[in-house]
Amino acid sequence: AQSVSQHNHHVILSEAASLELGCNYSYGGTVNLFWYVQYPGQHLQLLLKYFSGDPLVKGIKGFEAEFIKSKFSFNLRKPSVQWSDTAEYFCAGYMDSNYQLIWGAGTKLIIKP
Amino acid sequence: DTGVSQDPRHKITKRGQNVTFRCDPISEHNRLYWYRQTLGQGPEFLTYFQNEAQLEKSRLLSDRFSAERPKGSFSTLEIQRTEQGDSAMYLCASSLPLPSEFGYTFGSGTRLTVV
Repeated sequence: AQSVSQHNHHVILSEAASLELGCNYSYGGTVNLFWYVQYPGQHLQLLLKYFSGDPLVKGIKGFEAEFIKSKFSFNLRKPSVQWSDTAEYFCAGYMDSNYQLIWGAGTKLIIKP
Repeated sequence: DTGVSQDPRHKITKRGQNVTFRCDPISEHNRLYWYRQTLGQGPEFLTYFQNEAQLEKSRLLSDRFSAERPKGSFSTLEIQRTEQGDSAMYLCASSLPLPSEFGYTFGSGTRLTVV
């Protein structure tokens, strides 16, 4: 069955540290992948997406992600985090449908000031 | 139109009661989706509409769950005979016909607590 895995449930970093959040998917066909962020008390917001072309995609707020098909991965990165990046980050993807997003369990990121 | 609106934001109900949630999507989005999110998990797909047609409902959690979008605009999600296990955040999202390109826009959700 198709699935999305986020192995780090909680990450704590200091400001200015570099960030990489892991996301792996399980599906042998074409995928469209997304990262969403949920700030405390707010709704889910799209950070970035990949559906074709350049596997390195850039999103809002300085985030980027790289699609590595051979590793079934779509890791999220940011070179220098800020306290305001404290949030929960979700990886999600379309696999065999174009309407049902399959979600990872999320990673709670806490940035210490 | 500033986004997807959900009402109410919070609902506390007694076990066995029926509840109904409303979602108003972005007006030019013809697709509307319902998801459920429990603590520590990502959202779980429930159902979706294209205009007024409910194109996928097999993932609704039981026959106590039903959704409508009668005029292709707002949608309602009803849970009958609520159980404590129904306590969760219910999310609505909307999108253009090619969601794989543009993604979803989510509402803030309705948090249901069944006591």
